[in-house]
Formats: sequence, C-alpha cells, structure tokens
Amino acid sequence: EPEVTQTPSHQVTQMGQEVILRCVPISNHLYFYWYRQILGQKVEFLVSFYNNEISEKSEIFDDQFSVERPDGSNFTLKIRSTKLEDSAMYFCASSENNQGPYGYTFGSGTRLTVV
Amino acid sequence: AQKVTQAQTEISVVEKEDVTLDCVYETRDTTYYLFWYKQPPSGELVFLIRRNSFDEQNEISGRYSWNFQKSTSSFNFTITASQVVDSAVYFCALSVLTGGGNKLTFGTGTQLKVEL
Repeated sequence: EPEVTQTPSHQVTQMGQEVILRCVPISNHLYFYWYRQILGQKVEFLVSFYNNEISEKSEIFDDQFSVERPDGSNFTLKIRSTKLEDSAMYFCASSENNQGPYGYTFGSGTRLTVV
Repeated sequence: AQKVTQAQTEISVVEKEDVTLDCVYETRDTTYYLFWYKQPPSGELVFLIRRNSFDEQNEISGRYSWNFQKSTSSFNFTITASQVVDSAVYFCALSVLTGGGNKLTFGTGTQLKVEL
C-alpha cells in the first residue's frame, strides 16, 4: 500500500536555528498538506499546497514557515528561526484530488524538539 | 467555519466492555466528510473510517461501528468488547470541499484507556 514518508522521525534543534522537515507524498497525489500537533493537544492544519503554490494556510502558518516542492517528489516544511513553542509533531499528508478526500494519507510524523 | 467537538476527554473501561466515543460537528456546507483516526502511543495517525454527508448508513467493521446522524450532527464511534490494544487517543475530524484541497478540522480527541 502506498505510503507518505517523512524524515527524520525525530529532530532536535536549538532555538533560533532553521529546520527543514521532509516528506515524500504518494506519487500520483496532487494535494499536499502539513499539520501540527503540540504534545497532548489536537492536530491542527497548517497549510495546503497544490499546483506549486499554497492554496490555503492557517493563522499558525506565519512568516517563519514556508513550504516547497523542490523536485517533484519531495514536499518540505521550513521553519526559519525555531522557537520553543514550535516543539510538536508535524504530520505531512497528501490526497488524490479535491473532489473528496479519497486517498487522504498521513505520514508517520516528525517529532520536532526545540531546546 | 468548521468545528468538531469531542466532549469526552478521557474514558476508562475494563476489557470486554463496550465503549462509545462521541463526536459532534458544525458546518454550513451540505457536502462534507467525517473521519475517525486512532493515535496509539507511538504517535502515528491511523485511519479508521471516512463517511460522506450523503451516506447516513451506519457501518460496522469487526468490533468497530459508527453511527452517523445528520439530524443531531453527530458521528459516534463504538468499540464492542474493548481490548487493551484499543488504548489510544481517538480523533474525529471533518473536511469540506474547497478549491485548495481538503483540509481536516480535528476535534480535541478522546483518550481511551482499556484496563484488564
């Protein structure tokens, strides 16, 4: 069964450093997403990406965040200057189309710890 | 705007008991999708079910069953004869169609603890 792959599974970074979280979506999917889950809290939508541009973003997704699909297979989330409150599990997801979330698949997540 | 409410923060049951997890949603859209995900201690999100707004049939999958009632905007999840392996956080989520994809709005989750 096709999978969404996220690397690394766990990353520790110092406050103020830039971090890039990587995702390989399912190959025939066209819509890509990032979600965040602070420990013990609910999963929150960050951003959706389609046709090489952001299609929707939440209030959480401020100027310190950016997304990119650099090579047609990877989908990355960059946090420019990490803060302690960025510590969370970050999930990537992809879906086939926007006619219904069929094939909506989550990766296993990257646990980011900012120290 | 969409909203999902899971009023039960934590439920503890003894193995073999039946347990129902409640989910109430809010949306003005007539076409939407409802989901349940399981999050075990390892942290990944495990897909359990997707239901669209036009299909109010209840569904049963093994020990799991789902009761979708549009009249009360609820999509409740029942585990029959619970097992220790069912211990996890369970999230209900809602998605509506937008031009930019299908973002999911999650509830706050219900922590289920099944004890021997």
